Amino acid sequence: GQQVMQIPQYQHVQEGEDFTTYCNSSTTLSNIQWYKQRPGGHPVFLIQLVKSGEVKKQKRLTFQFGEAKKNSSLHITATQTTDVGTYFCAGPTSGTYKYIFGTGTRLKVLA
Amino acid sequence: SQTIHQWPATLVQPVGSPLSLECTVEGTSNPNLYWYRQAAGRGLQLLFYSVGIGQISSEVPQNLSASRPQDRQFILSSKKLLLSDSGFYLCAWSLERGGNTQYFGPGTRLTVL
Repeated sequence: GQQVMQIPQYQHVQEGEDFTTYCNSSTTLSNIQWYKQRPGGHPVFLIQLVKSGEVKKQKRLTFQFGEAKKNSSLHITATQTTDVGTYFCAGPTSGTYKYIFGTGTRLKVLA
Repeated sequence: SQTIHQWPATLVQPVGSPLSLECTVEGTSNPNLYWYRQAAGRGLQLLFYSVGIGQISSEVPQNLSASRPQDRQFILSSKKLLLSDSGFYLCAWSLERGGNTQYFGPGTRLTVL
């Protein structure tokens, strides 16, 4: 079945350092979404990418969708303590209304 | 605006007891509804999803069931809880047409002892 993997599983960075998480799907995706889950909270939608090679920015966050639409990345520039949490990517399964979530990357930022 | 409610927020239940978690959505019609489970420090496992009243798709065989008695109400149930049912249960909704954002409820933390 379709699988969505993320690396790394965990990342600890010093405040001010950059951070990147990578998302890889076993199948081509029509779109990909990114969510952030703060510790103890629920996932919150960040962004959706649709086009091959698309790059979107939200302040210090840069999202990219691969040319083959099978991978994606999230890059955070100059991390802050507010960036702490787990970042999930999610891709739709063909012909259904369900999304498969990636395994997640847990980010810890050390002040 | 749309809101999603889940209750209870936390629950401690003995092994073998029944379970009923409720999720309701306000401010939208005919949403797609989802139940996920998240084990501690792990990812999101899709349990059930529904595209309409009485229409339930099960993703993982287990001792849980789901029902959608009303358009904006989604219920997760079990007749007899297992230790392995412990986790963080999240309800989510999305617009009727696929490919849209999923909006998650605050979740229920279930501990089975």
